[in-house]
Amino acid sequence: EAGVTQFPSHSVIEKGQTVTLRCDPISGHDNLYWYRRVMGKEIKFLLHFVKESKQDESGMPNNRFLAERTGGTYSTLKVQPAELEDSGVYFCASSRRGGGTGELFFGEGSRLTVL
Amino acid sequence: RKEVEQDPGPFNVPEGATVAFNCTYSNSASQSFFWYRQDCRKEPKLLMSVYSSGNEDGRFTAQLNRASQYISLLIRDSKLSDSATYLCAVLTTGRRALTFGSGTRLQVQP
Repeated sequence: EAGVTQFPSHSVIEKGQTVTLRCDPISGHDNLYWYRRVMGKEIKFLLHFVKESKQDESGMPNNRFLAERTGGTYSTLKVQPAELEDSGVYFCASSRRGGGTGELFFGEGSRLTVL
Repeated sequence: RKEVEQDPGPFNVPEGATVAFNCTYSNSASQSFFWYRQDCRKEPKLLMSVYSSGNEDGRFTAQLNRASQYISLLIRDSKLSDSATYLCAVLTTGRRALTFGSGTRLQVQP
């Protein structure tokens, strides 16, 4: 069974540009989460999808971030326009059931560097 | 105050040593607790869940102290391969996503 895959693994962009990160969850996993780790800090929750619906987007930092999950399969996270403080590793995770079981399966992350 | 706090370490221990980490949580409505392991530049992976009665998996033992609001992870007979960052994760009633601590780094030395 394929794991959670994320693309790109690393992206370097200039301040003001746009970047779109993609996540393909494990097949059959309705729950999809985005997290972000900024250097030296904890992994912070961004948002949670159940199928194509946003269940909780309380962690999204501001309206420069837009997440979608059309059709309830893969998800994209777009940052537009990117700022320096957006640099970090963006992790996607999926689970068959809600987070209560703790069995989140993470992708390897997309490292974003904003110059 | 952070919702989940961990000592960042690093904890440098020799092979064969026993080492313990604690993680404190501030929200008394927290209901489920987990330890994840993250190797350098890799993704976090679930190590074990933490049950009220405590649980053991080989050399690893996890315990929960609700009164003092902390969980612990004990590693016995440390191996070089145990070197990693150990993340504490908490699920709070009413939320459906885990809150992570910043992790404790363990370095096991030969």
